[in-house]
Amino acid sequence: GQNIDQPTEMTATEGAIVQINCTYQTSGFNGLFWYQQHAGEAPTFLSYNVLDGLEEKGRFSSFLSRSKGYSYLLLKELQMKDSASYLCAVEFSGGYNKLIFGAGTRLAVHP
Amino acid sequence: SQTIHQWPATLVQPVGSPLSLECTVEGTSNPNLYWYRQAAGRGLQLLFYSVGIGQISSEVPQNLSASRPQDRQFILSSKKLLLSDSGFYLCALDNQETQYFGPGTRLLVL
Repeated sequence: GQNIDQPTEMTATEGAIVQINCTYQTSGFNGLFWYQQHAGEAPTFLSYNVLDGLEEKGRFSSFLSRSKGYSYLLLKELQMKDSASYLCAVEFSGGYNKLIFGAGTRLAVHP
Repeated sequence: SQTIHQWPATLVQPVGSPLSLECTVEGTSNPNLYWYRQAAGRGLQLLFYSVGIGQISSEVPQNLSASRPQDRQFILSSKKLLLSDSGFYLCALDNQETQYFGPGTRLLVL
């Protein structure tokens, strides 16, 4: 079966660093996405990992370990606007880009 | 650049009424298109995907259906809405690198 787990909620302080973990059990894994979703809005793309290792993109970084079925999203220098839900999604190999989403992690950034 | 339009933005419908949600895309041709539903406080659930005109695949059994009458048009329909159909409906396309989402339609079934 397919299972994607991520914490339901996290809190952090403005200016700090937070790591949001995602574990998955799937077959036919192709890659892993992270999306950001502000309340009432559509998800927006943050990162895509295919190979093991860390991908850095400004204040956001994403890590993948295919052998461990594990990924994390690292947010540095947190800002109030980073308060949002962060969705982990696994892409399956096949004729189309099928994504299975986790339930999302709701991050609250406090002053 | 690619743009996804969804209509309407919000909708309140009684139980048992029909539904038609429209998604149109610009700036691309022959895209893979997707319909997702996000219930309150839950993750995105893939409902349908389409790789071309008239080609629809369903991911979950339900009282919803989808159609793709034109290359850049994807429609989600129902003949009789259920309370459980309430949610945030998102249309998405992929450009072989990632999936981009439209602004969504918020549906409330009463």
